[in-house]
Amino acid sequence: GDSVTQMEGPVTLSEEAFLTINCTYTATGYPSLFWYVQYPGEGLQLLLKATKADDKGSNKGFEATYRKETTSFHLEKGSVQVSDSAVYFCALSQGGGSEKLVFGKGTKLTVNP
Amino acid sequence: SQTIHQWPATLVQPVGSPLSLECTVEGTSNPNLYWYRQAAGRGLQLLFYSVGIGQISSEVPQNLSASRPQDRQFILSSKKLLLSDSGFYLCAWLSKGTSVYEQYFGPGTRLTVT
Repeated sequence: GDSVTQMEGPVTLSEEAFLTINCTYTATGYPSLFWYVQYPGEGLQLLLKATKADDKGSNKGFEATYRKETTSFHLEKGSVQVSDSAVYFCALSQGGGSEKLVFGKGTKLTVNP
Repeated sequence: SQTIHQWPATLVQPVGSPLSLECTVEGTSNPNLYWYRQAAGRGLQLLFYSVGIGQISSEVPQNLSASRPQDRQFILSSKKLLLSDSGFYLCAWLSKGTSVYEQYFGPGTRLTVT
């Protein structure tokens, strides 16, 4: 079945550091890819998405590019802030009517001032 | 605008007791609805989803069940809770009318089974 693998956390960075969280997937066809963010004690929020190969999703300074050849969707940000501290989830959806999401296990990011 | 509600926000229940968690969506019609569980160290697991009233698909065999009695209401139930049912339960909805399918999540219910 489909699966998502993302780098193990936790990740601790200083403010203004560069962030990369790796995400790779195993799936048939051309799934849509997503990054969700969960702030402490809250539900998930969609951060960005990409629906086809070479698409770049971006939001709030975060970016991720859909790489079909490497089955990857790595999340990057050039300069993190303390407010970016959260858990980040990579996910895929095959559509097909159910639009079910398959999530990675999440990566906890802590940004120190 | 659309909103999603979950209640209760937190719940502490003894082993063997029943469970009922409710999720309602406002501002949309005929959404897909989903129940996820987030257990410590295990990421997010899809439990049930529904594409319409009375239509429930189960993803993981367990002692939980789901029902959709109304278009925008999704209920998660158990007759007898187990310790392993502890976790953070998230409801989500998806609008079928858009070109890119995005799920929107509720605030969650934290369940502790003692």
